[in-house]
Amino acid sequence: DTGVSQDPRHKITKRGQNVTFRCDPISEHNRLYWYRQTLGQGPEFLTYFQNEAQLEKSRLLSDRFSAERPKGSFSTLEIQRTEQGDSAMYLCASSSRSIPPYTGELFFGEGSRLTVL
Amino acid sequence: EDKVVQSPLSLVVHEGDTVTLNCSYEVTNFRSLLWYKQEKKAPTFLFMLTSSGIEKKSGRLSSILDKKELFSILNITATQTGDSAIYLCAVEARGAQGGSEKLVFGKGTKLTVNP
Repeated sequence: DTGVSQDPRHKITKRGQNVTFRCDPISEHNRLYWYRQTLGQGPEFLTYFQNEAQLEKSRLLSDRFSAERPKGSFSTLEIQRTEQGDSAMYLCASSSRSIPPYTGELFFGEGSRLTVL
Repeated sequence: EDKVVQSPLSLVVHEGDTVTLNCSYEVTNFRSLLWYKQEKKAPTFLFMLTSSGIEKKSGRLSSILDKKELFSILNITATQTGDSAIYLCAVEARGAQGGSEKLVFGKGTKLTVNP
């Protein structure tokens, strides 16, 4: 399968624990995005990378959240000291800015669902 | 701040009905508007619109953009139960160097089609 893959698909953790999610984008895509989605809401932008550079980070993202894309391929999103309000679906998406025609379409993974007890 | 507002938030119809979903936006340096369909998992791409007045069509779905009035509509004719999903509207803002920055999503319209 050559789509966007995310791992784990589901994570249940206790409040205060750290969690890490991984995203493998479509291989030729140089842009990678993280979104968060809660019930009844559209995806909320968290951050995005072009290659290994983190180009934008949402002001809503507290310092407990950190994302990396060390070699410009896969990315990780870490949440430290989780809180119940972090419970959500974390979606990763990728796109290509270097393969014309550039359409802006994001290709989404199936998400990592986090439940914080 | 960039904003996308969808209406209605929820809609229940019977099979065979025609529905119109609305999306209005406020964004700096507009580049495109995209519609996605989300069932139980990840959003899947439907349309991308960049020019006013040009209808995009795919089977029973169609969409059009009005850049003057800053809105788009998504029409679904002869609805089927398989159309039940959340329909998301997103706007892409042009970045400083001309490339895309990010998509800003609305809350979505939850469509339920009953048999």
